[in-house]
Amino acid sequence: GAGVSQSPRYKVAKRGQDVALRCDPISGHVSLFWYQQALGQGPEFLTYFQNEAQLDKSGLPSDRFFAERPEGSVSTLKIQRTQQEDSAVYLCASSMDRGNTIYFGEGSWLTVV
Amino acid sequence: AQRVTQPEKLLSVFKGAPVELKCNYSYSGSPELFWYVQYSRQRLQLLLRHISRESIKGFTADLNKGETSFHLKKPFAQEEDSAMYYCALTIQGAQKLVFGQGTRLTINP
Repeated sequence: GAGVSQSPRYKVAKRGQDVALRCDPISGHVSLFWYQQALGQGPEFLTYFQNEAQLDKSGLPSDRFFAERPEGSVSTLKIQRTQQEDSAVYLCASSMDRGNTIYFGEGSWLTVV
Repeated sequence: AQRVTQPEKLLSVFKGAPVELKCNYSYSGSPELFWYVQYSRQRLQLLLRHISRESIKGFTADLNKGETSFHLKKPFAQEEDSAMYYCALTIQGAQKLVFGQGTRLTINP
């Protein structure tokens, strides 16, 4: 099963709590993306890595959001002091390299109560 | 800024009828256009991309630069086509996908 793997699949957080979402890309994939999908909306870009370098973080909505990929494989999206508007599905995706097909994970469903 | 518009949130057609899912975009340069599909309880997956010019599962999409459209078409809908469909674009030099809001297609028997 060599697809993009995300964990946890479901997370309920109390407002103000910090959360960490993990993404295991397809082995050997250089590019990694995070998207946020609110209910009834299309996915919205958050950030992009090429290997360990974060080349684009223009979509991160606030400084409470932080992403890392320290060894160029697994990535973590961290949200500090969660708020209700952070409730969404967080999708991770990877591709072999620039211009190649992007493969999505099943998503991490975050609910902030 | 780049934008993708899918005017229909819901679309319902009968099995065997033609299907057209509309997608319009705004971008002054030369984008690359995609259709992604999400079947029930499955992950988002690529259906087709305009540069491939291929038909996938009977679906085709033609990029019309004059009308800035990339409508998805299938001549005869099948029940297994019921899914959520997203139109998306990337721009030259960038990696990120810009998605539309999606259209939920339901094929009635």
